[in-house]
Amino acid sequence: DSGVTQTPKHLITATGQRVTLRCSPRSGDLSVYWYQQSLDQGLQFLIQYYNGEERAKGNILERFSAQQFPDLHSELNLSSLELGDSALYFCASSTAGTGADTQYFGPGTRLTVL
Amino acid sequence: AQSVAQPEDQVNVAEGNPLTVKCTYSVSGNPYLFWYVQYPNRGLQFLLKYITGDNLVKGSYGFEAEFNKSQTSFHLKKPSALVSDSALYFCAVRPRSYNTDKLIFGTGTRLQVFP
Repeated sequence: DSGVTQTPKHLITATGQRVTLRCSPRSGDLSVYWYQQSLDQGLQFLIQYYNGEERAKGNILERFSAQQFPDLHSELNLSSLELGDSALYFCASSTAGTGADTQYFGPGTRLTVL
Repeated sequence: AQSVAQPEDQVNVAEGNPLTVKCTYSVSGNPYLFWYVQYPNRGLQFLLKYITGDNLVKGSYGFEAEFNKSQTSFHLKKPSALVSDSALYFCAVRPRSYNTDKLIFGTGTRLQVFP
């Protein structure tokens, strides 16, 4: 158990809908990352937050957004969902967000868009 | 473009034999290097990382990795494989030059250990 929690574990929804994925980092970690794992794209970095502020963006679609709250938990919002958004979404956290920090991953949320 | 290559989709090894999972990278500078393992329906578990210093890094569950700067490789090894090591293994790099801590992942290598 990495100490990173994600809810829900599974999510099934329809095209055009909006969903919110939640992540709680390990105790004491200030940095949160979101990754998408799909069969065709592999593991892709989406976005990083550090202590409430956006630090970096990766291949995140405009339909997707995220935030990190004062208690350091994070939410990833996915809207106008398409079939291709079906994937495993991981949250990771690290202590201070410096390069050598280890990122610890949560168990993921499996999103299925029908 | 910065990239990580895991040239083998699958590695098969008999239990008790040594195993190697290969990783090469194309990243400028001296990146930080990581190995993660993913078991079915689970998240990624950290195995080990290379920051600096000794080229042989020891990690969890008896795994180790050898960093080779000239070959830009970071191969994962274990002297004696266990059936329970069967899983999906990911190599990842974090370029030091980036103003971000994102990890760039390889495509993964499925390790199958046969009894």
